[in-house]
Amino acid sequence: DIQLTQSPSFLSASIGDRVTITCRASQGISIELAWFQQKPGKAPNLLIYAASRLQSGVPSRFSGSGSGTEFTLTISSLQPEDFATYYCQQIKSFPLTFGGGTEVEIK
Amino acid sequence: ELQLLQSGGGLEQPGGSLRLSCVGSGFTYYSYAMAWVRQAPGKGLEWVAAISGNGESRNYADSVKGRFTISRDNSKNTVYLEMNNLRAEDTALYYCARGMPSRLYYCEVWGQGTLVSVSS
Repeated sequence: DIQLTQSPSFLSASIGDRVTITCRASQGISIELAWFQQKPGKAPNLLIYAASRLQSGVPSRFSGSGSGTEFTLTISSLQPEDFATYYCQQIKSFPLTFGGGTEVEIK
Repeated sequence: ELQLLQSGGGLEQPGGSLRLSCVGSGFTYYSYAMAWVRQAPGKGLEWVAAISGNGESRNYADSVKGRFTISRDNSKNTVYLEMNNLRAEDTALYYCARGMPSRLYYCEVWGQGTLVSVSS
């Protein structure tokens, strides 16, 4: 099975900060990676698919990059509504797997 | 309106069975893969199972293989998760999700979630 390791697991940031979250895969997954945002009590929301493609309706301050085993999610200027938990997921091979999550908190 | 409406779940004893349902509306159901994802209380997301649009391809997480069965009835726009031999560690909020048109197993649309509790 492909393991995904997210870092950091928790980060504290201020409004307007640039935030970067990393997801590392235990083996190469090409660009078959998604990023989700989840707020408390809500279902996850797809932000990025195929590593770097912005899902329709998602603000352009979110971006994704990477291929192979290392990927990043960047929020260019953190907004109040961005405080949430973020997950990566690999879609390269079954069983599909998620990273452990990164909680983004207000500093 | 694009929507996934979930039902089923509840409290069951270890070793028991439950069936979850997820009805889709606002899209051509048979064209999309469907998946189940769960989240234990206070924990992260765990992919559980997925099924292709025509139902011919089914895949499972190791943790549920042999105990859970995913199926679909495209005439009813419904995907099911039959859960047998339930364990305490199956306690979670279960989400159904729809794939994307061109990238089948990316979860683009999500249901509201349904709670499964396994306890004696």
